[in-house]
Amino acid sequence: GAGVSQSPSNKVTEKGKDVELRCDPISGHTALYWYRQSLGQGLEFLIYFQGNSAPDKSGLPSDRFSAERTGGSVSTLTIQRTQQEDSAVYLCASSQAPRGNQPQHFGDGTRLSIL
Amino acid sequence: AQKITQTQPGMFVQEKEAVTLDCTYDTSDPSYGLFWYKQPSSGEMIFLIYQGSYDQQNATEGRYSLNFQKARKSANLVISASQLGDSAMYFCAMREPNQGGKLIFGQGTELSVKP
Repeated sequence: GAGVSQSPSNKVTEKGKDVELRCDPISGHTALYWYRQSLGQGLEFLIYFQGNSAPDKSGLPSDRFSAERTGGSVSTLTIQRTQQEDSAVYLCASSQAPRGNQPQHFGDGTRLSIL
Repeated sequence: AQKITQTQPGMFVQEKEAVTLDCTYDTSDPSYGLFWYKQPSSGEMIFLIYQGSYDQQNATEGRYSLNFQKARKSANLVISASQLGDSAMYFCAMREPNQGGKLIFGQGTELSVKP
């Protein structure tokens, strides 16, 4: 069975450009999460989708960040007008219903570099 | 306030010896879950072990075990018989039910296993 798939694996772009990061979760997982990991740091929560419920956007750092999840599966994280401080590894995770001992399974991440 | 604290930025251990990685947490919710993840230099996040706040026994998974001291709010990871492949970053994380499914991560501990 396939794990969480993220694309692209690496993205280099100029400051001010928009970028889209894609996440394809494990089939059957209803919960999907985006995290950001800056160099040498822990993971910072960005946004969380669970089924058809409204997403928890409480971790998005600014209104330049947005995400959607289509058909309860694939998710896209969009960063508009990128800034150098947006450089980080963006990790996507999925899980079965988020309760009890259900772990989150992570993709390999997208390494974003803003020039 | 920091919810997850890992006080050891770096640790060294001799191959075949045991090592304990510290994690303390802060929550007022009686129901919560604690997770440990391993992140090798390749970047993927690998789930290791889970401890629920109501679990009566310390969790164990192969060479990994949790020293869970609820009153002290600590959940230290013990790795027995260290192997060279254990060299990685280790993250402690907490999930609170009133926060949806998101995980709050500590800053991590970098473990180096010496031959």
